[in-house]
Amino acid sequence: EAGVTQFPSHSVIEKGQTVTLRCDPISGHDNLYWYRRVMGKEIKFLLHFVKESKQDESGMPNNRFLAERTGGTYSTLKVQPAELEDSGVYFCASSQKDSFSYEQYFGPGTRLTVT
Amino acid sequence: LAKTTQPISMDSYEGQEVNITCSHNNIATNDYITWYQQFPSQGPRFIIQGYKTKVTNEVASLFIPADRKSSTLSLPRVSLSDTAVYYCLVGDTELTGGGNKLTFGTGTQLKVEL
Repeated sequence: EAGVTQFPSHSVIEKGQTVTLRCDPISGHDNLYWYRRVMGKEIKFLLHFVKESKQDESGMPNNRFLAERTGGTYSTLKVQPAELEDSGVYFCASSQKDSFSYEQYFGPGTRLTVT
Repeated sequence: LAKTTQPISMDSYEGQEVNITCSHNNIATNDYITWYQQFPSQGPRFIIQGYKTKVTNEVASLFIPADRKSSTLSLPRVSLSDTAVYYCLVGDTELTGGGNKLTFGTGTQLKVEL
């Protein structure tokens, strides 16, 4: 079974540019999450999709971040325009439908560097 | 969500049993306790989850006393490859239903040496 995949693995962009991160969850997982770790900080929740619907986006830092999950399969996270403080590692995770557990499957992350 | 406290780091040697204790004094009745492991340049990986007493799987054991204000992750006979950061998380599985956001703390950096 393929795990959660993320693309790209690394991205270096200049301040003010746009970047789009992609996450492919495990097939059949309705729940998809985005997290991020900025330098020296803890991993923080960004948002949660159930299929194509945003269940919880309380962790999104501001309106420069836009997450989509069209068709309930893969998801994208767009940062526009990027700022220096957006640098960090962005993780995607997925879990099965109606899972009353905290078992989530994480991807390897996308390391974003904004210069 | 309940706040957790765990040691920043621990050192061990190959073949030893490692016990990492996590304090969660404000744990609520519906809260479960979950542990994740993270290697450098990888995403966190689920290890074990429990509610009370003892849970064991092929990787680890989780001991939870009756008052549930702490928990201990036990790794039997660690090897070099167990060097990683271990996170203790506490949360309510019924809060969101159909999925649960994770709240990570700083974790415990375990270093295993020969």
